[in-house]
Amino acid sequence: GAGVSQSPRYKVAKRGQDVALRCDPISGHVSLFWYQQALGQGPEFLTYFQNEAQLDKSGLPSDRFFAERPEGSVSTLKIQRTQQEDSAVYLCASSLMSAEQFFGPGTRLTVL
Amino acid sequence: DQQVKQNSPSLSVQEGRISILNCDYTNSMFDYFLWYKKYPAEGPTFLISISSIKDKNEDGRFTVFLNKSAKHLSLHIVPSQPGDSAVYFCAASQAAGNKLTFGGGTRVLVKP
Repeated sequence: GAGVSQSPRYKVAKRGQDVALRCDPISGHVSLFWYQQALGQGPEFLTYFQNEAQLDKSGLPSDRFFAERPEGSVSTLKIQRTQQEDSAVYLCASSLMSAEQFFGPGTRLTVL
Repeated sequence: DQQVKQNSPSLSVQEGRISILNCDYTNSMFDYFLWYKKYPAEGPTFLISISSIKDKNEDGRFTVFLNKSAKHLSLHIVPSQPGDSAVYFCAASQAAGNKLTFGGGTRVLVKP
């Protein structure tokens, strides 16, 4: 497909469980961003990659959150020991170094 | 501290009339502004952008106005169509390619 894809689309986790969320950016897009969107709010920045380098992780809420993009393409956001406040939609976006970012459909995470 | 604010959570407008969405920001380092549209269960879709060197940008039915001195931007949709019913997010960045800071969104309902 031509757009950004994310999997799974929905994830239910028990509190304390580890989860991994995947993002497939648009082919050739150098920049990749992760955002967290709580219910009724706008997306909030988590972390940013340029190719395989993680240049900004200032938005990650705790050390339970970890992101990687080892080959400069697919990225994984991992959340360890999930807590209820981690419940949100996690959005991935990619871009060609321009300001316009193209978003995937998101992964809705529910922590019980 | 919310750096980008959309003070109207919702807006209802008749089909064919103008929709005006407003956005205020506090960070004077913001240099690039974007509007995104979001349908339920989908990721945000880019609509239109404007750089700080301009005060107006137009694309079809969508026009964005920027007032730097007031730190205010607005999106005009003319004429409004039922398919425009969605949540609209204002976003800002300090440079092209940088992370986006989003407002809380405005839900628009266009009545036939």
